[in-house]
Amino acid sequence: NAGVTQTPKFRILKIGQSMTLQCAQDMNHNYMYWYRQDPGMGLKLIYYSVGAGITDKGEVPNGYNVSRSTTEDFPLRLELAAPSQTSVYFCASIHRDRGGFEQFFGPGTRLTVL
Amino acid sequence: DAKTTQPNSMESNEEEPVHLPCNHSTISGTDYIHWYRQLPSQGPEYVIHGLTSNVNNRMASLAIAEDRKSSTLILHRATLRDAAVYYCILRDVSGANNLFFGTGTRLTVIP
Repeated sequence: NAGVTQTPKFRILKIGQSMTLQCAQDMNHNYMYWYRQDPGMGLKLIYYSVGAGITDKGEVPNGYNVSRSTTEDFPLRLELAAPSQTSVYFCASIHRDRGGFEQFFGPGTRLTVL
Repeated sequence: DAKTTQPNSMESNEEEPVHLPCNHSTISGTDYIHWYRQLPSQGPEYVIHGLTSNVNNRMASLAIAEDRKSSTLILHRATLRDAAVYYCILRDVSGANNLFFGTGTRLTVIP
């Protein structure tokens, strides 16, 4: 298994541009999550999904959108990039119904908005 | 969500045991105690979790106080590879499995 994969690894955006951060997992996990991590801080939850077609907001959803059309993919969309969205973004997944307790994290996407 | 309190940083000599403390005085009966760690420039990785009893796995041991208001992650022999930020997290089993990360403890291992 490749686990949780994220693309791109790095990206620089100008203010007002938009982009989609890709996340995919091949473990047939039903729950998926997007976190952001600002320098020196812990991770904060942006959005999560409990299955295909179902998404919900986390702690810091403003400025982001998500979709979950398949079990494998959970893209995160930034519509109008702002400097405050400069951060490292992590995607994670877990299979809740199988008694799963371990979240598997991707390697992260480092985003800079100038 | 119940909060945890951890020291900002700790140091250990290589090949010595490390005890990383965590206070969670507002823990509820359905909260599991999870530990994750984050190596430099990587995503977090699961270390161990428990509810009431002490737990051991290949990476570490988790000692949970009898009143569950505190816990300690024990690395039996620190290696340079264990240098990371360690997060103590409470997970409500009835929720959506969301993890609420604090700022964690940065462990430095001295050769």
